[in-house]
Amino acid sequence: SQQGEEDPQALSIQEGENATMNCSYKTSINNLQWYRQNSGRGLVHLILIRSNEREKHSGRLRVTLDTSKKSSSLLITASRAADTASYFCATLPGTASKLTFGTGTRLQVTL
Amino acid sequence: NAGVTQTPKFQVLKTGQSMTLQCAQDMNHNSMYWYRQDPGMGLRLIYYSASEGTTDKGEVPNGYNVSRLNKREFSLRLESAAPSQTSVYFCASSESRGYNSPLHFGNGTRLTVT
Repeated sequence: SQQGEEDPQALSIQEGENATMNCSYKTSINNLQWYRQNSGRGLVHLILIRSNEREKHSGRLRVTLDTSKKSSSLLITASRAADTASYFCATLPGTASKLTFGTGTRLQVTL
Repeated sequence: NAGVTQTPKFQVLKTGQSMTLQCAQDMNHNSMYWYRQDPGMGLRLIYYSASEGTTDKGEVPNGYNVSRLNKREFSLRLESAAPSQTSVYFCASSESRGYNSPLHFGNGTRLTVT
């Protein structure tokens, strides 16, 4: 069963715009991680945010976590064509020992 | 550094054939994982090895076996391939146990079983 679900499933924006993707989950978590996957490649880790953290930044990426709403968002500012990829959230439930991945958001950034 | 290296990149098998997917990491990581990725399903954990000498089943272990050959290498074996095992297989590693450190993924093996 899916623990994390991304929304939207697909997103198309123009270069320079901001992109926001959301992840909702069902049970309490230890941490939540965001990954990027370019076509035909493996996943690349972006940010890990722990349950006691509310916001983390990495370059043009900003991740927020709202444990009361069981949701997280990934914001990519000033997007570039190279940001075109699928983005996955993965959650580590508090009572489980396995990381569970969502089905991803496909981001298309056009020139 | 190469990171996580998977071989082969592509493979076509006939039903009933066997094969081993190889994975090696050069980051001195303790934990290693095998996932499969299918359209609309996200990544699903097949097996993992929390540390050298240990292996455990994941979410979808049926039809697979694994070997943690040493700290660097973690192989996945299909003894009798079935069309349902057509998928993209990813190996990953992490520094620590328990998913409290990031996973580092290889670029995958694309397997087709006819």
